Amino acid sequence: DGGITQSPKYLFRKEGQNVTLSCEQNLNHDAMYWYRQDPGQGLRLIYYSQIVNDFQKGDIAEGYSVSREKKESFPLTVTSAQKNPTAFYLCASSTIGRGQGDQPQHFGDGTRLSIL
Amino acid sequence: GQSLEQPSEVTAVEGAIVQINCTYQTSGFYGLSWYQQHDGGAPTFLSYNGLDGLEETGRFSSFLSRSDSYGYLLLQELQMKDSASYFCAVRGDNAGNNRKLIWGLGTSLAVNP
Repeated sequence: DGGITQSPKYLFRKEGQNVTLSCEQNLNHDAMYWYRQDPGQGLRLIYYSQIVNDFQKGDIAEGYSVSREKKESFPLTVTSAQKNPTAFYLCASSTIGRGQGDQPQHFGDGTRLSIL
Repeated sequence: GQSLEQPSEVTAVEGAIVQINCTYQTSGFYGLSWYQQHDGGAPTFLSYNGLDGLEETGRFSSFLSRSDSYGYLLLQELQMKDSASYFCAVRGDNAGNNRKLIWGLGTSLAVNP
């Protein structure tokens, strides 16, 4: 079955450490997104990519980095510069294209990141 | 700035009907979507309105009025499993192939027996 796989499900980070969250999709979607969700809050966009080897900052990109070397993969690195990284991280993907009509975003099951 | 407003919490009983409203203020508008998220889970797509009017999908319907910058999600014949958070989201930009969404803060729906 097609879908999005995020790993790990739970991740712990030590102070000063960079950690990388994995996101892989086999839906053949061009666009991929990383969101951060804090308790009781909505989704805030960290980075998104519409094509391989290209990505754009979202609303809260500081302290995060991404790469898009393959269409299927969009890993997110939470760097030591991100001082409050504890959150639920969600990866999503969608098709793209002009015009009306919706291309829904499909989400992975998320990664919960905590500070040790 | 760009924002979406929706109630933070709604409570209803099984079998009832509930309406979750969403008003938006965005520089552009290319459609209103609704997503459902159960506690600890991933958001899942429910419905989309690109044009004014009502879209029906089973027990769920969604409405849009672009002139009022307003939409709602209507859930009928509520079931316990409908207890979840519901998010409205707007695509505010059609530049290039942009499918980036602006999200509301979510409405927590509690369905009681």
